[in-house]
Amino acid sequence: GAVVSQHPSWVICKSGTSVKIECRSLDFQATTMFWYRQFPKQSLMLMATSNEGSKATYEQGVEKDKFLINHASLTLSTLTVTSAHPEDSSFYICSAREGFQPQHFGDGTRLSIL
Amino acid sequence: GENVEQHPSTLSVQEGDSAVIKCTYSDSASNYFPWYKQELGKRPQLIIDIRSNVGEKKDQRIAVTLNKTAKHFSLHITETQPEDSAVYFCAAPSGGTSYGKLTFGQGTILTVHP
Repeated sequence: GAVVSQHPSWVICKSGTSVKIECRSLDFQATTMFWYRQFPKQSLMLMATSNEGSKATYEQGVEKDKFLINHASLTLSTLTVTSAHPEDSSFYICSAREGFQPQHFGDGTRLSIL
Repeated sequence: GENVEQHPSTLSVQEGDSAVIKCTYSDSASNYFPWYKQELGKRPQLIIDIRSNVGEKKDQRIAVTLNKTAKHFSLHITETQPEDSAVYFCAAPSGGTSYGKLTFGQGTILTVHP
């Protein structure tokens, strides 16, 4: 149980394009979803927290107009990196939680901007 | 907010030995402490967690101990195996409650030599 699916797993695109990443909870209702960014050999850095039907809460230093988050249903959240540039290249991971249960992570998306 | 410090950053052991990773946290109201294992390029997986109403929890070769007074908790792996090699992250909830967002430690690269 508690499976979180994240797609795509790898994206390579040109600078200036927008990229959408999907995070789905397959067997539970994700009342809260989290989006993290992880640089090589570093820890997970929380970008934002989203509750179903509400606007996302962004961490300090994360541009909300750059990283658009939508959590329109209890099983799906999306992260759109708008006008991506090489410095946005990173490993993006979502996690989902039902109520007060532990967070479960997706497989991550490796984003490379050329 | 919560501040989590994790040590050591790297740990190398021989197969069969024990491994101990320690984390300290700053928010005395925190009451939930998970440990995650992340293999290269893969999702973090919850391996064990502990709540503040107990001092120790064990699951086969893995155990976690919690010292609320000193605000530290530790992961213990006994009879290590090469497949235990991975990056391990501790975490503590920001805002104290178990349903808050998590702040992760810096990670420990564990290498188990056959």
